[in-house]
Amino acid sequence: KNQVEQSPQSLIILEGKNCTLQCNYTVSPFSNLRWYKQDTGRGPVSLTIMTFSENTKSNGRYTATLDADTKQSSLHITASQLSDSASYICVVRPANAGNNRKLIWGLGTSLAVNP
Amino acid sequence: DAGVIQSPRHEVTEMGQEVTLRCKPISGHNSLFWYRQTMMRGLELLIYFNNNVPIDDSGMPEDRFSAKMPNASFSTLKIQPSEPRDSAVYFCASSFSSSTDTQYFGPGTRLTVL
Repeated sequence: KNQVEQSPQSLIILEGKNCTLQCNYTVSPFSNLRWYKQDTGRGPVSLTIMTFSENTKSNGRYTATLDADTKQSSLHITASQLSDSASYICVVRPANAGNNRKLIWGLGTSLAVNP
Repeated sequence: DAGVIQSPRHEVTEMGQEVTLRCKPISGHNSLFWYRQTMMRGLELLIYFNNNVPIDDSGMPEDRFSAKMPNASFSTLKIQPSEPRDSAVYFCASSFSSSTDTQYFGPGTRLTVL
């Protein structure tokens, strides 16, 4: 079982609408949780990063939340644009890993924004 | 800065051939990561280097895969011999060791082994 599970696997919304992507993780303890955006044919780009003590972090129309008690994170996209069409990947960095900086990656949610 | 540079962008080869993927990290970054991405398994870390030294190669699938980082500005990932199941997109990423440790990815190399 993957330590980082994302839902839904894919999502289609209309331009201008809001949406929320979910991430459930079992990695514990963890150092930080990050959301990446990956456009088709490109490498992932970091959107937000939260430490275990943070509850929310915004980056423009993107707002990430974190509940360390339930081990859940969400990424909310407001007033979606066509350029938001991409894969969104949840990534957790385990704590207490010493010098090992290996990250735990989810499989991503594929978002399509239609006109 | 041009970002992380990878070459080639696309590679098509026949089973059994040697494949070499190349990466130039962002100047000043001291960590370099090689990932493989497939639809079924997502992003998988193959190996990462810190200050040109391999730290964790537990993700390297088998002895057919090898990676080197001869200096701070260049790394290679070699597959010899290649097999059809190696077909995937291979990403190189670099970062500067810090508490946030943001990894910056290159555009990837799409490898197809026939």
